[in-house]
Amino acid sequence: AAGVIQSPRHLIKEKRETATLKCYPIPRHDTVYWYQQGPGQDPQFLISFYEKMQSDKGSIPDRFSAQQFSDYHSELNMSSLELGDSALYFCASSQQGGWSTEAFFGQGTRLTVV
Amino acid sequence: GQNIDQPTEMTATEGAIVQINCTYQTSGFNGLFWYQQHAGEAPTFLSYNVLDGLEEKGRFSSFLSRSKGYSYLLLKELQMKDSASYLCAVSGYGNNRLAFGKGNQVVVIP
Repeated sequence: AAGVIQSPRHLIKEKRETATLKCYPIPRHDTVYWYQQGPGQDPQFLISFYEKMQSDKGSIPDRFSAQQFSDYHSELNMSSLELGDSALYFCASSQQGGWSTEAFFGQGTRLTVV
Repeated sequence: GQNIDQPTEMTATEGAIVQINCTYQTSGFNGLFWYQQHAGEAPTFLSYNVLDGLEEKGRFSSFLSRSKGYSYLLLKELQMKDSASYLCAVSGYGNNRLAFGKGNQVVVIP
C-alpha cells in the first residue's frame, strides 16, 4: 500500500540558508500535518492543512512557511536556517480532516544545519 | 492546551509483559493514540482509544479512562523488536493536531 512520501530523506544546509521539504500524502488523504522532532525529544506539532487550507498552527517559527497544493502534496519552506533547526521533520496524513482515524507518518527528513 | 506526561525508560525481559502509562490534561478530548517509534524512524500507529475501556490488538492492548485522564499500553510476550520508544498522543476537540508526550523508551533484553 502507498505510504506517506517525504523528500529529501536527508538534507544538509548552512546557517542562514533556505530549505524546502516536501510531503506526498497517502492517496485520498485530505489532511497533512508537519512535526519537528529534535534529538531525544517528542514530536512537536508545527502546522496542518485540510483541503489545501491551513487548519491549525502550532509552534512554527515565523521563518517557516508551508502550503498544501492542489494535488494535496505539501511543502515546508524554512528560511534563515539556524543550528537549532537541525531535527527530524515528519509529515503525517489522514483522511476526513481529523484525527478520529489513524494517521500515518512519513519516514521523515533529517535536516542538519551546519 | 494539552499536557501529556509519560515516564521515560524501562527495561524488560523477552517474553515478559510491560505496561506503559500516560496521563494527560486537555481542553476537550477527541481521542488518544499510541505510537511506536524506533530510533530515527517514523512513529507507527499502534492503537486509538476514544471511549473508556480496553482495546485489544494482538500482543498490544490499550486502556483509557477519560475521567482520570489516564491511559496505558500493555505489551505482552515481549520480543526484541519491541525495543522502541512508545508515545502517547492526545487529540483535542476542535483542533487539528496531536499533542505527543515525551515517550517511554522500552529496552527488551534476552
